[in-house]
Amino acid sequence: DAGVIQSPRHEVTEMGQEVTLRCKPISGHNSLFWYRQTMMRGLELLIYFNNNVPIDDSGMPEDRFSAKMPNASFSTLKIQPSEPRDSAVYFCATRSTSGSYEQFFGPGTRLTVL
Amino acid sequence: GQNIDQPTEMTATEGAIVQINCTYQTSGFNGLFWYQQHAGEAPTFLSYNVLDGLEEKGRFSSFLSRSKGYSYLLLKELQMKDSASYLCAVRGEGGGSYIPTFGRGTSLIVHP
Repeated sequence: DAGVIQSPRHEVTEMGQEVTLRCKPISGHNSLFWYRQTMMRGLELLIYFNNNVPIDDSGMPEDRFSAKMPNASFSTLKIQPSEPRDSAVYFCATRSTSGSYEQFFGPGTRLTVL
Repeated sequence: GQNIDQPTEMTATEGAIVQINCTYQTSGFNGLFWYQQHAGEAPTFLSYNVLDGLEEKGRFSSFLSRSKGYSYLLLKELQMKDSASYLCAVRGEGGGSYIPTFGRGTSLIVHP
């Protein structure tokens, strides 16, 4: 298996632009998590899905952030409009609820908003 | 709520033993994870403790005391490649919910 796939790996954009981050989970994993990591705040959970349904989005900072999981193979995290304080590394992680509690993380998307 | 504390940074010598501590105060407890994260990379799973005691896995061991809200990760025979951040994460919700809360991580520097 290729593991969790995220794209793009790096994104540089200007304030006010829309940013879309993508994640393809490991086949068979039915839980998906979006995290944000910064030096100041560490690794923060933004939202997680179970069987494509959003279960907890209390970590989403504000209405500028939205996430979708239209099917078991794909999820997006969108920021519109982006702001400099959104600059961070965004990780997608997945796990199988029938397996161990281990989460498998993707390589992350490093976002820089100028 | 969840509160997880780890030292920010530790240094150690190649070949030595180092212990990284983690204390937590959470509403309920359903397991504690340790992850390793090299600079610029994703976190990777090291261990998961649910019951009290020590679990050994090669050069790495993880200990848990639920009554004390305390865990440590023990790294033996340190190698340069062990220089990384070590994240403690606690699964505090009960039932079918699964939301691990991560600590800020401990940056371990191994020098020759």
